[in-house]
Amino acid sequence: GAVVSQHPSWVICKSGTSVKIECRSLDFQATTMFWYRQFPKQSLMLMATSNEGSKATYEQGVEKDKFLINHASLTLSTLTVTSAHPEDSSFYICSAVIAGGNEQFFGPGTRLTVL
Amino acid sequence: SQKIEQNSEALNIQEGKTATLTCNYTNYSPAYLQWYRQDPGRGPVFLLLIRENEKEKRKERLKVTFDTTLKQSLFHITASQPADSATYLCALDMDSNYQLIWGAGTKLIIKP
Repeated sequence: GAVVSQHPSWVICKSGTSVKIECRSLDFQATTMFWYRQFPKQSLMLMATSNEGSKATYEQGVEKDKFLINHASLTLSTLTVTSAHPEDSSFYICSAVIAGGNEQFFGPGTRLTVL
Repeated sequence: SQKIEQNSEALNIQEGKTATLTCNYTNYSPAYLQWYRQDPGRGPVFLLLIRENEKEKRKERLKVTFDTTLKQSLFHITASQPADSATYLCALDMDSNYQLIWGAGTKLIIKP
């Protein structure tokens, strides 16, 4: 149980385009999901906390207009990287928490490369 | 602000031995401390959670200790196997609000 999927697993796009990444909890309902980015050999950096039915809470330094988060249902959150630039190239990972639990269940991650 | 320190150097252990990884933090103790495993190009996988008032937690070959006086958690893998090779991350949940503060991880290499 507690499986989280992400789609796509990797994406290559041209600079200036937008990319949408989906995060789904497959066998549980997730009222809270998190979006992280991770650079090589570095720690996970929390970008935002996504709550179903409400606006996401962004961490300091993360542009909410650039990284659009939508948590439309208890099993789906999406991250859209708008007007992507090469510096947005990174590994994006989502996680979800089961109501009443404390551990986070992570998706497999999405490798974004912006040319 | 809270800082987490994990050994940045890779840890090389002979198969069959016990691997011990360290996680140190600087400020007040978290409500929970968690350990995750991350393989290259993959998302982290939850391993163990230990609460502030717990000293030790075990799961199969894994053991976690939590010393709030030393502000340190140790993560042990006994009878280590090459398949245990991965990066191990510790994470602190300060206020039981699900948000975690992450260490950079320690790469563990188990040699056959």
